[in-house]
Amino acid sequence: DTAVSQTPKYLVTQMGNDKSIKCEQNLGHDTMYWYKQDSKKFLKIMFSYNNKELIINETVPNRFSPKSPDKAHLNLHINSLELGDSAVYFCASSQDWVNQPQHFGDGTRLSIL
Amino acid sequence: QQQVKQSPQSLIVQKGGISIINCAYENTAFDYFPWYQQFPGKGPALLIAIRPDVSEKKEGRFTISFNKSAKQFSLHIMDSQPGDSATYFCAAKPHQGAQKLVFGQGTRLTINP
Repeated sequence: DTAVSQTPKYLVTQMGNDKSIKCEQNLGHDTMYWYKQDSKKFLKIMFSYNNKELIINETVPNRFSPKSPDKAHLNLHINSLELGDSAVYFCASSQDWVNQPQHFGDGTRLSIL
Repeated sequence: QQQVKQSPQSLIVQKGGISIINCAYENTAFDYFPWYQQFPGKGPALLIAIRPDVSEKKEGRFTISFNKSAKQFSLHIMDSQPGDSATYFCAAKPHQGAQKLVFGQGTRLTINP
């Protein structure tokens, strides 16, 4: 009965590869988010979708492309991975923007070799 | 740019003591102030939240104090326990404008037994 689930939990890959992270929420929420948490634990919003529509694109390189096939899923595809992409990526959801709080998944730790 | 400044960066408290984490925000209308708790390997989870029409909210051992005029809010953990050891984030939600939570930098709390 996991509320927000992300796969995979760990992702180790070479520089230059393309990878995807999947996120699903079973809370019936309308809004989903992607965050990046760096080694200093700082949480930075990357994208926000509301009912499959992009709301926030926080000056993220266009190598990062979110895809929302339906409002329960928000996947993150990353092209041409770079060393600086190493981080923990969190998916989150909320009922909508006005009605918080946000529920977070357990994160995907991406390590670039 | 909207900011929330959180302090201290790290905090060590003896078991049974009071843990206090402070946040200050700048000149913006926020209408919701959540605190998130994050354990290693997990995503942030909502701990307690407050709206600016109240000055204090208490849930068990956790209390938020809110000072609207000073633009400050703080988390107090009474009778701190080793199980409270985690990273804590304050955040603020803008009433209007960009639909993204503004997070503090995080506080790593360690409760010594």
